[in-house]
Amino acid sequence: DTGVSQDPRHKITKRGQNVTFRCDPISEHNRLYWYRQTLGQGPEFLTYFQNEAQLEKSRLLSDRFSAERPKGSFSTLEIQRTEQGDSAMYLCASSLGQRTDTQYFGPGTRLTVL
Amino acid sequence: AQKVTQAQTEISVVEKEDVTLDCVYETRDTTYYLFWYKQPPSGELVFLIRRNSFDEQNEISGRYSWNFQKSTSSFNFTITASQVVDSAVYFCALSVKKSSGDKLTFGTGTRLAVRP
Repeated sequence: DTGVSQDPRHKITKRGQNVTFRCDPISEHNRLYWYRQTLGQGPEFLTYFQNEAQLEKSRLLSDRFSAERPKGSFSTLEIQRTEQGDSAMYLCASSLGQRTDTQYFGPGTRLTVL
Repeated sequence: AQKVTQAQTEISVVEKEDVTLDCVYETRDTTYYLFWYKQPPSGELVFLIRRNSFDEQNEISGRYSWNFQKSTSSFNFTITASQVVDSAVYFCALSVKKSSGDKLTFGTGTRLAVRP
C-alpha cells in the first residue's frame, strides 16, 4: 500500500514567482487535505476536497493560493506571487472518507521564498 | 471553534525514563475525535492513535499508552521506558464531524528529546 506522496520535497524560489506543488493521495482515498506548518507550530488547515469538490477553504488561503483536484485523484496547490511569509512546510493528507477517518500525511513540501 | 493546547514545549529525558505528554482540548461539539501524531526529524507526520468522544477507555500499545478523560478535557500520552528513537515532536489534534469536512486542529506540539 503506497502512502501519500508529494512533489517536490523542497522548493526554493524568489519572491514574486509562482510555485505549484503536487500531492498524490493513497489510492481509493476520496478525501484530500492541505495543511501548512511554520517553524515551531502545528499544522494549520488550508483546504479540503471530497473527490473533486473543494468543500472548505481556510481564511489562511488568500487569493494568491489556489488548489485543484481534477478527476478526484491527485491535487495541486499553486501559490502565485510568492512572499517571504509563504515560507513553510506544505503538508498533504488523505483519508478514506466514510466517516471521520484517520488522515494519513505525506512527507511535505518545504518552500523557501528568498 | 476547536482548540488544542500542549503546554509542554520541550521535554528532555534520559533513556528508559517514563514520560507523559499533556494535551487539553476545547470544543462545544459532543461528537469529536482526538489524535496523536509523531513528527520525527524527517518531517513526515506519523499517525499514532485515534479516539472518539464516546470511548473513554484507556489504550495501551506496546510502550505507548493514552489516558482520555472527558471530565478534564484531556488526552494525555505516556511513553514507558523511553528510547532514543522516540525523540520527535508529538502533536495532539482534534476533529469534529461537519458536513463540510473534518479538518484537524493541532496543538503546537511537544518536542521530546531522549538522551542515551
